[in-house]
Amino acid sequence: SQQGEEDPQALSIQEGENATMNCSYKTSINNLQWYRQNSGRGLVHLILIRSNEREKHSGRLRVTLDTSKKSSSLLITASRAADTASYFCATDAIGSGYSTLTFGKGTMLLVSP
Amino acid sequence: DTAVSQTPKYLVTQMGNDKSIKCEQNLGHDTMYWYKQDSKKFLKIMFSYNNKELIINETVPNRFSPKSPDKAHLNLHINSLELGDSAVYFCASSQDTYEQYFGPGTRLTVT
Repeated sequence: SQQGEEDPQALSIQEGENATMNCSYKTSINNLQWYRQNSGRGLVHLILIRSNEREKHSGRLRVTLDTSKKSSSLLITASRAADTASYFCATDAIGSGYSTLTFGKGTMLLVSP
Repeated sequence: DTAVSQTPKYLVTQMGNDKSIKCEQNLGHDTMYWYKQDSKKFLKIMFSYNNKELIINETVPNRFSPKSPDKAHLNLHINSLELGDSAVYFCASSQDTYEQYFGPGTRLTVT
């Protein structure tokens, strides 16, 4: 069954603005990951946050995790046209012996120059 | 060097045919995966292999059969293709339970 649900489904902003995407999930997790997919390409891993972490930064990316609400957010600061892509959250559920990522439907981000 | 590669990139074929998609990773990872991404961009796990051994087999028709000749390769064979099999198929690999590295995808169109 689908685990992650991103919100919004689509987001359109101007260059320089911040973009925030949210993800909700249903079961207990080992970690939550965010991926980016440019049109016609494969997914690229952006950041991983473990279940015992609350916030993580990587360059212009900031991810938060609230396990009590089963939700995460991805903030992209000072967005650029090159950030235009679909962004997916993926959860690695507890109980799986191996990495079993379940992806959400994604947020399509459009950054206009 | 390409970390995870797939061939072919595009595949157009008729219903009823049998086709294969190949995947290779040069990252030394132990685990490889096949995902299917539908027209709405929903990405769903199909299979996972760890050291050539099948560990995840989601509800996928028997017409789909993965094969892992060694831990660097995971191929996907599809028998009797149907219209609903049209999608983009992604191969990925990972080490332990961390991030997954995706191939560029194979866009399969069944006519």
